[in-house]
Amino acid sequence: NAGVTQTPKFQVLKTGQSMTLQCAQDMNHEYMSWYRQDPGMGLRLIHYSVGAGITDQGEVPNGYNVSRSTTEDFPLRLLSAAPSQTSVYFCASSYGGPGLPLHFGNGTRLTVT
Amino acid sequence: SQQGEEDPQALSIQEGENATMNCSYKTSINNLQWYRQNSGRGLVHLILIRSNEREKHSGRLRVTLDTSKKSSSLLITASRAADTASYFCATGNDAGGTSYGKLTFGQGTILTVHP
Repeated sequence: NAGVTQTPKFQVLKTGQSMTLQCAQDMNHEYMSWYRQDPGMGLRLIHYSVGAGITDQGEVPNGYNVSRSTTEDFPLRLLSAAPSQTSVYFCASSYGGPGLPLHFGNGTRLTVT
Repeated sequence: SQQGEEDPQALSIQEGENATMNCSYKTSINNLQWYRQNSGRGLVHLILIRSNEREKHSGRLRVTLDTSKKSSSLLITASRAADTASYFCATGNDAGGTSYGKLTFGQGTILTVHP
């Protein structure tokens, strides 16, 4: 099993550009989520999904879009990149249900200049 | 806002020593989890303790939970250089509905184990 796969690993964008961060899992997990990790801020939840066709906002959703058309994939779209979106982005998944552990990808390091 | 707050922010010890990290949180929880993050990698789940449990063990890891004080501790015994990593606590709130799987993370403790 590959687990949770994130692509790309690194990305540099100019302000105003858009891009999609890819996340795929092969564990048939219902629950998928996106976090961003910033120094001194820990991990903050951006968006999450409890199943195909269902998404909801987390703590810091502004500037990001998500969709969940399949169980396996949960892409994160940056609509118009800003320097404040420079961060490391993690995708995580779990079977769902209260308190089940999250499985994380290895992250995408994004720099917006 | 961060639910979990780890203490200390950084910890430096020698191999063979024990490492203790603490986590405090603010609201009621269903469970508390600890994760490890090696440099440049994603987080890896270590252990989960439910709100009705007081202590849990897994190998060299011991986690305690005191819901009256809203705090938890992670003890790593007989530490090794390979334990060098950042450690995060995360709290889950079983508010029902679509809340499952949502975890709130603290800022982490950076542990350095010197050989």
